[in-house]
Amino acid sequence: AQSVTQLGSHVSVSEGALVLLRCNYSSSVPPYLFWYVQYPNQGLQLLLKYTSAATLVKGINGFEAEFKKSETSFHLTKPSAHMSDAAEYFCAVSESGRTGNQFYFGTGTSLTVIP
Amino acid sequence: DAGVTQSPTHLIKTRGQQVTLRCSPKSGHDTVSWYQQALGQGPQFIFQYYEEEERQRGNFPDRFSGHQFPNYSSELNVNALLLGDSALYLCASSLGTLRSEQYFGPGTRLTVT
Repeated sequence: AQSVTQLGSHVSVSEGALVLLRCNYSSSVPPYLFWYVQYPNQGLQLLLKYTSAATLVKGINGFEAEFKKSETSFHLTKPSAHMSDAAEYFCAVSESGRTGNQFYFGTGTSLTVIP
Repeated sequence: DAGVTQSPTHLIKTRGQQVTLRCSPKSGHDTVSWYQQALGQGPQFIFQYYEEEERQRGNFPDRFSGHQFPNYSSELNVNALLLGDSALYLCASSLGTLRSEQYFGPGTRLTVT
């Protein structure tokens, strides 16, 4: 089974500063990797996904992530934080089984943006 | 284009009762997955339905069961509710089952007292 580790359950950055949210995965096969964002009392919204094409993936709202196979990492970055980025962020890996697929999620990182 | 919808939004039940949650997938999607998200945790996979059959199942007891209808909508049933079943239940839809990106609904907040 796959697993996802998100280092840092809480991250605080100043408005305008770099955002870096860390994600490491374990997978015995080339993974499909995703970042989702969850605002309070809402479902998850897809930010970006890696599906074995370009290693640098650009997503919505200025976020991007880089797949590094040697480090089994898929860290999420944004050059300049905005107040509206404050939310919970989840990294996920998709595993295909014999008849379907399931997502394994990390425990999440809560991002606080300080004015 | 309607996204994933879930009903009800909130639900309060008593231990031992049974509950049914409902999900309508995003237009054009044929696969529905259910997740349980406890407070402060990431979503945990319950099961996935495709072509009206359960295709994958996570580590959840048989008290959790589901159904998918011909119009691709789905239900999650939980019997003999426990306090620990209190969580946000998320439905996600996708096109096909092979590593397709999933689109999530807003969830149903279940409280068991």
